[in-house]
Amino acid sequence: DTGVSQDPRHKITKRGQNVTFRCDPISEHNRLYWYRQTLGQGPEFLTYFQNEAQLEKSRLLSDRFSAERPKGSFSTLEIQRTEQGDSAMYLCASSPGLAGGSSYNEQFFGPGTRLTVL
Amino acid sequence: GQQVMQIPQYQHVQEGEDFTTYCNSSTTLSNIQWYKQRPGGHPVFLIQLVKSGEVKKQKRLTFQFGEAKKNSSLHITATQTTDVGTYFCAGINTGGFKTIFGAGTRLFVKA
Repeated sequence: DTGVSQDPRHKITKRGQNVTFRCDPISEHNRLYWYRQTLGQGPEFLTYFQNEAQLEKSRLLSDRFSAERPKGSFSTLEIQRTEQGDSAMYLCASSPGLAGGSSYNEQFFGPGTRLTVL
Repeated sequence: GQQVMQIPQYQHVQEGEDFTTYCNSSTTLSNIQWYKQRPGGHPVFLIQLVKSGEVKKQKRLTFQFGEAKKNSSLHITATQTTDVGTYFCAGINTGGFKTIFGAGTRLFVKA
């Protein structure tokens, strides 16, 4: 399977704990996005990477959230001191960038990690 | 901040009827994308519109981008049960990378 993969698929944690999610994009894609989606809403932009550089981060993101893409391949999203309001589906997407020609901006989404904070 | 509004929130149609969802941005967009999300699934890219006034067709689906690049629409002709799902528009600002999704229109198709 050469699609975007995310791990874990589900995570249940207690309030105050830290959690980390991983995203493996399509191998030749240099753009990577993180989103959060709650029931009945569209994906909410969290952050964007081009290769290893984090070029944009939502102002909605508090200091408890951090993302990395150290080698320009996989990415991790960490949430510290989780709160019940963090419960959501966390989606990762990748796109080819300029090397993808006319498809440069097409975002391929992974299956998501569903976080439940008790 | 930038907002992308989408209407209607829900649409129930009889199979064979047409369906349209509308998207409006509070700011001028560089381009707009449309995605479909089936229940329990993840968003799947449908199309990207870049030019002012652009119209693109994919079989029964017709996508339009407004002249001012602030609004867009998706029209489905003669809906089928396989069209069921939530349709999202997503706008990207000029010079930016942030993709702002609308809240989506959930389509129900009755056979």
